Amino acid sequence: SQTIHQWPATLVQPVGSPLSLECTVEGTSNPNLYWYRQAAGRGLQLLFYSVGIGQISSEVPQNLSASRPQDRQFILSSKKLLLSDSGFYLCAWSFSRGPRAFFGQGTRLTVV
Amino acid sequence: AQTVTQSQPEMSVQEAETVTLSCTYDTSESNYYLFWYKQPPSRQMILVIRQEAYKQQNATENRFSVNFQKAAKSFSLKISDSQLGDTAMYFCAFMLGGADGLTFGKGTHLIIQP
Repeated sequence: SQTIHQWPATLVQPVGSPLSLECTVEGTSNPNLYWYRQAAGRGLQLLFYSVGIGQISSEVPQNLSASRPQDRQFILSSKKLLLSDSGFYLCAWSFSRGPRAFFGQGTRLTVV
Repeated sequence: AQTVTQSQPEMSVQEAETVTLSCTYDTSESNYYLFWYKQPPSRQMILVIRQEAYKQQNATENRFSVNFQKAAKSFSLKISDSQLGDTAMYFCAFMLGGADGLTFGKGTHLIIQP
C-alpha cells in the first residue's frame, strides 16, 4: 500500500531564516506531487505540483520554491521566510492518471 | 480558471439529524471531478466522497451522499444520521483530472451537538 510522509509536523522559524519541508511517498512510482498551503480560516491553495523528477509547476508567485530531486521526494523551500509565509502546509500525491489526491499529515509553520 | 464557493462558513445541528452542505463551482469544462474532503481538528485531509462529472448518478458512501446538478454547477453534500465524529471542516474541491491540482472552497465548519 502507498503511504506519504511529511515532516516536520510543527516548525517555528524567525523572519529571514531559510525553510525546508520534505515529503516522501512510498509504495508507488511516478506519482504526481503537490504542495498546498492553508492560511488561517481559509481553504487550501495549490502552490506547486510536479509530474516528474525536476519538473515543477508553480501556481502562484511567492517567496517559496519547490524541488523534486527523486521520483518520490518533494521539497518545499525558502531562502528567507516572511511573516506571511505562516500557515499549514500539506503535501499530497496522486497516481499519474489522477484524479484522487492523498494528503500527508501537514506541517504547521509559524514565522516569528 | 475554476472557482469553488461554499456559502456556509459554519453550521450546527443536533446529533442524528440530517445536514446538507452547499457548494457551487464555476468552470467552462465539461469533464471534471468534484470532491468533498473532511478536515477534523487533527487537520488530516480525509476524502469523504467523489463525483465524476460524466456520471449522472449521484455518489453515495454510507451516510454521505451528494446532489450533483451539473447544469446548475452545484454539488451539495448530505450527511444522514449525523454523529459527533462528523464535527470537522468540510471542503468542496474541483479537479480537471490528470496532473491538475485541486481547487478548494473556503470550507464549512460543521458542528454536531450532542
